Amino acid sequence: AQKITQTQPGMFVQEKEAVTLDCTYDTSDPSYGLFWYKQPSSGEMIFLIYQGSYDQQNATEGRYSLNFQKARKSANLVISASQLGDSAMYFCAMRDHTGNQFYFGTGTSLTVIP
Amino acid sequence: NAGVTQTPKFQVLKTGQSMTLQCAQDMNHEYMSWYRQDPGMGLRLIHYSVGAGITDQGEVPNGYNVSRSTTEDFPLRLLSAAPSQTSVYFCASSFSGENYEQYFGPGTRLTVT
Repeated sequence: AQKITQTQPGMFVQEKEAVTLDCTYDTSDPSYGLFWYKQPSSGEMIFLIYQGSYDQQNATEGRYSLNFQKARKSANLVISASQLGDSAMYFCAMRDHTGNQFYFGTGTSLTVIP
Repeated sequence: NAGVTQTPKFQVLKTGQSMTLQCAQDMNHEYMSWYRQDPGMGLRLIHYSVGAGITDQGEVPNGYNVSRSTTEDFPLRLLSAAPSQTSVYFCASSFSGENYEQYFGPGTRLTVT
């Protein structure tokens, strides 16, 4: 069964604007971790941000924030003040309560327009 | 620290050939894993290990073998390559637990003809 859903295959955003990338997840685990990764055209996977399922506050890392709505099982990534270098694929991922299984979504391709 | 290293970067195999993708990490991580990335599919977990001598299957383990004899190394073996195994393969490592991010290697692009 699919665990992570990213419904936006491609997104465009104007430089300096904010953009939200959607992610929903499906789990019955009592606890879990949610992650976002960036994959530029060069191919490497870059960790961006983490949210624990018991965290009360939304995670933030610089221009990245995670809009965590536990009841809705959503973990959207918000990028503020978009830059040209933000153009990349973005993957939402979930790590189960054992820490052993890691599930990725199919990704969203973000293009920042000058 | 070199982080997570993978070799080779590119490989072309003929159907039925075998090969080993190498992965090493120098961060003393207990957890190591292998993924394949196919267009439109995201990354899918093949096998993982939570320590030397301990391995287990992920979502798509068929056609692949792994072993973990040291903390540092986690090779992935294709015993008889098939065209369906054409993909980009990533190795990753992390501390064990749900709240640790994984560190990824640069990937290996494998083509099976």
